[in-house]
Amino acid sequence: GENVEQHPSTLSVQEGDSAVIKCTYSDSASNYFPWYKQELGKGPQLIIDIRSNVGEKKDQRIAVTLNKTAKHFSLHITETQPEDSAVYFCAAYLRGGSEKLVFGKGTKLTVNP
Amino acid sequence: GAGVSQSPSNKVTEKGKDVELRCDPISGHTALYWYRQRLGQGLEFLIYFQGNSAPDKSGLPSDRFSAERTGESVSTLTIQRTQQEDSAVYLCASSSREYQETQYFGPGTRLLVL
Repeated sequence: GENVEQHPSTLSVQEGDSAVIKCTYSDSASNYFPWYKQELGKGPQLIIDIRSNVGEKKDQRIAVTLNKTAKHFSLHITETQPEDSAVYFCAAYLRGGSEKLVFGKGTKLTVNP
Repeated sequence: GAGVSQSPSNKVTEKGKDVELRCDPISGHTALYWYRQRLGQGLEFLIYFQGNSAPDKSGLPSDRFSAERTGESVSTLTIQRTQQEDSAVYLCASSSREYQETQYFGPGTRLLVL
């Protein structure tokens, strides 16, 4: 089955710097890759996603890139702000397959003012 | 519109007692998922419902765990004879039939077994 590895497990940056979180997946047939942000005491919130027919997607300060050949995808946050501090999870999904999201173990991002 | 709601938000119980957790999906969403999240850990899939099809129970950790869903509405997750290792946040997510992969999560139920 699908396996998703996420790195780093913790990331600390200064306000205004960029942050990058990387994930690799094992099943080359996976075709949907969402990113979730989870603040303390809350449920995960979908912040951006990308499908396998697209290489990059941007939404204001966040972007996701996908390299299907290498089977990895990354979340990029620019001009980080303290409110970006949270745990971020990547996931992979095979539409027409198991119909389940497989999650990475999460990255705790701390943005220092 | 309203998002996924879960109740109770917090539950403290004694070892050996049964607990029932409730999830109300987004209206019109046919798919519903339950996950478990232990403290500081990732999301562990438990069970998945899609419409009136038989649920995918492959993630349930033991026969003490069960879940029901009536049609495309509310779901309940039941844990019988709770153990301390059941302490976790239980998250529910729902998605539409057309975009099943795009899951929206509720706030979770924080379960503490003493």
